[in-house]
Amino acid sequence: DTEVTQTPKHLVMGMTNKKSLKCEQHMGHRAMYWYKQKAKKPPELMFVYSYEKLSINESVPSRFSPECPNSSLLNLHLHALQPEDSALYLCASSQLLAGGLNEQFFGPGTRLTVL
Amino acid sequence: DAKTTQPPSMDCAEGRAANLPCNHSTISGNEYVYWYRQIHSQGPQYIIHGLKNNETNEMASLIITEDRKSSTLILPHATLRDTAVYYCIVRAGIGNEKLTFGTGTRLTIIP
Repeated sequence: DTEVTQTPKHLVMGMTNKKSLKCEQHMGHRAMYWYKQKAKKPPELMFVYSYEKLSINESVPSRFSPECPNSSLLNLHLHALQPEDSALYLCASSQLLAGGLNEQFFGPGTRLTVL
Repeated sequence: DAKTTQPPSMDCAEGRAANLPCNHSTISGNEYVYWYRQIHSQGPQYIIHGLKNNETNEMASLIITEDRKSSTLILPHATLRDTAVYYCIVRAGIGNEKLTFGTGTRLTIIP
């Protein structure tokens, strides 16, 4: 299984809602990532988890709260979002080999619209 | 990580080789050149990476100049399915899990 799955595919939420994005991989990868991609822009890194611990937070606002409950799952909890947070949210995973040259496998993304 | 410069768009005829250039003049000795592509509405897909030698796999070839300041990704026989945004990324190896995407090249394969 060389796939990263993300649910839901599409999500529409109001600014007062709380929702969660989910990501799953069964490749035994020990690093997982969240990226945000606005229309016609490149993906931007948000968070990195290594061995289920948060290792990188790219100064993301606290209304985005990541969680890694186990080595296969990654969640992104959303609360009090703004319309400008509407974007494609991409999850990725990779091995953590000693050489550090670890290819990242991306999921198809969740397209989020905040009203 | 060093910055990269790519042309914003390119066209290539179907069946011909697509040559995508990337300039990374500030690359340092421990940084690798990676290529990813993103087909419309999908997540990015890894293509190839290299340090200083030319590399080839089942998808593409990567040619890195001797001074390592630029590289070219070659898709030998482009098909319509190769239409995508191609990202050249320079990335340190050991202990660095960050991928910093530039603006990329939008490659359109013309039938």
